[in-house]
Amino acid sequence: GAVVSQHPSWVICKSGTSVKIECRSLDFQATTMFWYRQFPKQSLMLMATSNEGSKATYEQGVEKDKFLINHASLTLSTLTVTSAHPEDSSFYICSASKTSGGFDTQYFGPGTRLTVL
Amino acid sequence: GESVGLHLPTLSVQEGDNSIINCAYSNSASDYFIWYKQESGKGPQFIIDIRSNMDKRQGQRVTVLLNKTVKHLSLQIAATQPGDSAVYFCAEKWQGGKLIFGQGTELSVKP
Repeated sequence: GAVVSQHPSWVICKSGTSVKIECRSLDFQATTMFWYRQFPKQSLMLMATSNEGSKATYEQGVEKDKFLINHASLTLSTLTVTSAHPEDSSFYICSASKTSGGFDTQYFGPGTRLTVL
Repeated sequence: GESVGLHLPTLSVQEGDNSIINCAYSNSASDYFIWYKQESGKGPQFIIDIRSNMDKRQGQRVTVLLNKTVKHLSLQIAATQPGDSAVYFCAEKWQGGKLIFGQGTELSVKP
């Protein structure tokens, strides 16, 4: 199998606080994980590529100091939304890349709904 | 541009009919494409994929067609069921393994 989990599944926080979201590959090791955000009725937008043991690569327009990514192990990547504001409210989805037969396939987590009051 | 787009944002079909969802991509160098299904409040679920050395691939009730000449993908769902109601995204794999998603088509199945 290839199961990816996220925690929490939803979170509500006050403006100005920081929120950490975890992404875990449960039954495989993932050297690469990806973080996406999705606004209602819109597509998934890639935020960053997270590589185990190295700094994340952020997409253009994504503030790296705002969205801190740590990929400390082959099964865990975390996204911390720092000093969250209402405009950060969104659905955050991670994926983990599994290599099989020389080919990489991304498996997605169930998403985390962030609401900033 | 760096985008994968869809022609139809919404699609309503009668239960039992076939559904066709279209997608246009812009990067002629892309060699791998995936269709995902996303239900409300959930992460994307893999449906079917296709590599650029193929023009057709079939799964259970689903078929993906790839036309590299016009950079067009389609997803065909046979005998559409109420459980197929969801948003469908095509995605294009870029260098470094990242996926670029299309805008999505919301499929609504009428009983």
